[in-house]
Formats: sequence, structure tokens, C-alpha cells
Amino acid sequence: DTGVSQNPRHKITKRGQNVTFRCDPISEHNRLYWYRQTLGQGPEFLTYFQNEAQLEKSRLLSDRFSAERPKGSFSTLEIQRTEQGDSAMYLCASSSKRGGQETQYFGPGTRLLVL
Amino acid sequence: TQLLEQSPQFLSIQEGENLTVYCNSSSVFSSLQWYRQEPGEGPVLLVTVVTGGEVKKLKRLTFQFGDARKDSSLHITAAQPGDTGLYLCAGAKRASGTYKYIFGTGTRLKVLA
Repeated sequence: DTGVSQNPRHKITKRGQNVTFRCDPISEHNRLYWYRQTLGQGPEFLTYFQNEAQLEKSRLLSDRFSAERPKGSFSTLEIQRTEQGDSAMYLCASSSKRGGQETQYFGPGTRLLVL
Repeated sequence: TQLLEQSPQFLSIQEGENLTVYCNSSSVFSSLQWYRQEPGEGPVLLVTVVTGGEVKKLKRLTFQFGDARKDSSLHITAAQPGDTGLYLCAGAKRASGTYKYIFGTGTRLKVLA
């Protein structure tokens, strides 16, 4: 496994701009999750894909947020018209069931700062 | 809604001391994971526990899953400065064919040399 990768690692943007983050999951994992984490807190669930289907979205995911997973491989998370409150670490994780265990593996995250 | 309570939230100890971190819930989980996270990085998986009462050891770290699969503990023996970090527990719940993960608020550990 090469692990979960995320790009970019860091993003600084001005309020009102759009940003897009990419996540490449572990290749054989069919489930992919996006989380947001603010300082001192645990990750908060944003959305979840099984293959290319987006199966669940959190109420945290306002209409300015959209996520896609075309072809069931990599995923993108786009934030439109960014606000200062969007500043956070955005984490991607992928998972599959092996030997009866379902376990998530996280990427290194994309840290977003909205000025 | 935070369903997993971690305690303590902060812990500062001297090198060589032992410590235990607790993760408690009123919900039953299919499995529970423990992660360690360093500043600016994503959480790194330490262990997954699945069976009620299960105990797993990873060098100086001992993980236990409660009999009812509602709670878990992490015990570190002879802590070292390299153990410093944010420890997160995450419970997996299966619903409607999908898995949802609930994270605890984390325990920030600092081990002083």
C-alpha cells in the first residue's frame, strides 16, 4: 500500500475564492471519507463515498461544499466562496473490510487558511 | 453530537511514568480504532479492536475493548517523549450497509524528558 495521499498539503486563500482539494485513497479501498478538523478537536464527518456513490452528507456540509468521486477512485472536495470559518484541516480517509475488520486509514490532510 | 467521550483531555507527565486514556460511549460499536496524530499531520492508525473484552498490545501500548463494545482504554507503560501527541479513539457503527465513524475529542499527551 502506498497509503492515502492528499494534495495540496497547505492552501492559503482569500475569502470569497473557490478551492479544490484532491484525495487519492488506497487503491483497493472502496470506501472514502472526508472530515474536517479544527484545532484541539477530533475529526468531524463531512461526507462518505462507496465506490463512486456519495451515500451520506453531514449537515456540516453546506451548499458551498461539493464532493465527487468519479470512477470510484480519487475524490475531490470543492469549497465555493470560502469564508474564514472554513479554515481547518481537511482530512481524507479510505477503508475496506479485511478479515472481518473495517478500518480507516487517513491521509496527511490539507490545511486550509482563509484570510 | 459527540457520542464518544475521551478522558483526560490533557495530560502532561514525566518520562518513565505510566498513563491510561479512556474512551467511553453509551453506544455499541462494531469496532474501535485508536489513532495518534502529530501537529499538521493526519491521524496514524495504532490499532483496531473488534471483539468485546479484546486486549491488544503494541510494544509499550496496551489497548482494551470493553466487554459490551461501548468503551475502550489505552495504557502506556514507561512513557517516552516520542509518545507525545494527540490520541484519538474512533468507533465504527454499521447502519444501512455503510460504516460511520464517530471520533472522540482526543487526549493531548505531553511526555517531558
